[in-house]
Amino acid sequence: SYDLTQPPSVSVSPGQTATITCSGDKLGDKYCCWYQQKAGQSPVLVIYEDAKRPSGIPERFSGSNSGNTATLTISGAQPMDEADYYCQAWDRTTVVFGGGTTLTVL
Amino acid sequence: QVQLVESGGGVVQPGGSLRLSCTGSGFTFSDYAMHWVRQAPGKGLECVAVVMSAGNVKYYGDSVKGRFTISRDNSKNTLYLQMNSLRAEDTAVYYCARGAVVGTGPSQGFDPWGRGTLVTVSS
Repeated sequence: SYDLTQPPSVSVSPGQTATITCSGDKLGDKYCCWYQQKAGQSPVLVIYEDAKRPSGIPERFSGSNSGNTATLTISGAQPMDEADYYCQAWDRTTVVFGGGTTLTVL
Repeated sequence: QVQLVESGGGVVQPGGSLRLSCTGSGFTFSDYAMHWVRQAPGKGLECVAVVMSAGNVKYYGDSVKGRFTISRDNSKNTLYLQMNSLRAEDTAVYYCARGAVVGTGPSQGFDPWGRGTLVTVSS
C-alpha cells in the first residue's frame, strides 16, 4: 500500500513562515492536495494539483511537489492558521491521506 | 452557493446496517466525482469510497471492501453509502465531499466537504 508521511507537529511564531512536508515514494509523479481542518470543523481544501489555490484561499498559502516530497508553505502565518493539515494523493485506485500535522502559531 | 448535506447517521449495533445520504445543491451534481471520507474520534482522515460522475466507476478503501456500497442518483442530486456488517472500528464522522475539478477524479482533491454525520457502532 502507498503511504504518505507528515510530521506530527509544526510550531511557528506569528508572521513566520510555516513549512509542512509530506513524503511518499515518487510523490512528485502524482498530484498532491492539502486540507486545513480547524477544531470541530470540516476539512477545507487549501491547495490542489500541487500548487493551485481554490478561490477564497489566501495568497500566503502555497504548495510545491517534487521527487518524494510535497510541501505546504504558509508565508506570514497567523493565529487563525492554527489547525490540522492533511496531504492527499491518488495512487492507482486508492485515495491516500497523510497522518496530519498540527500547526501551532504562537 | 455550493452545499453538501449529509444525513442518516446514528447508533447501530455491531453487525448492523445503516444507509447514509448526501444531497448536493448549487452545482451540476452529475458533472463531479463524489466521495465518502470518514474520521474516527481524534484520528485522521480516511477515504472509504469514491464514485465517478456517471456512477459506473467506483473505488473502495481496503477496510470497507465487501461491506460498504457507494451509489448515486444524479436525478436526485444525491449520494449514498450503504454500510453493512458494521464494526466498532467503523465509528466515525462520515463526510461527503465533491471532486474539486469538474470531470476529473480523486487526484484533484475534494472541495467542498459537508458538515458530516456521526455513525456510532456500539452494543
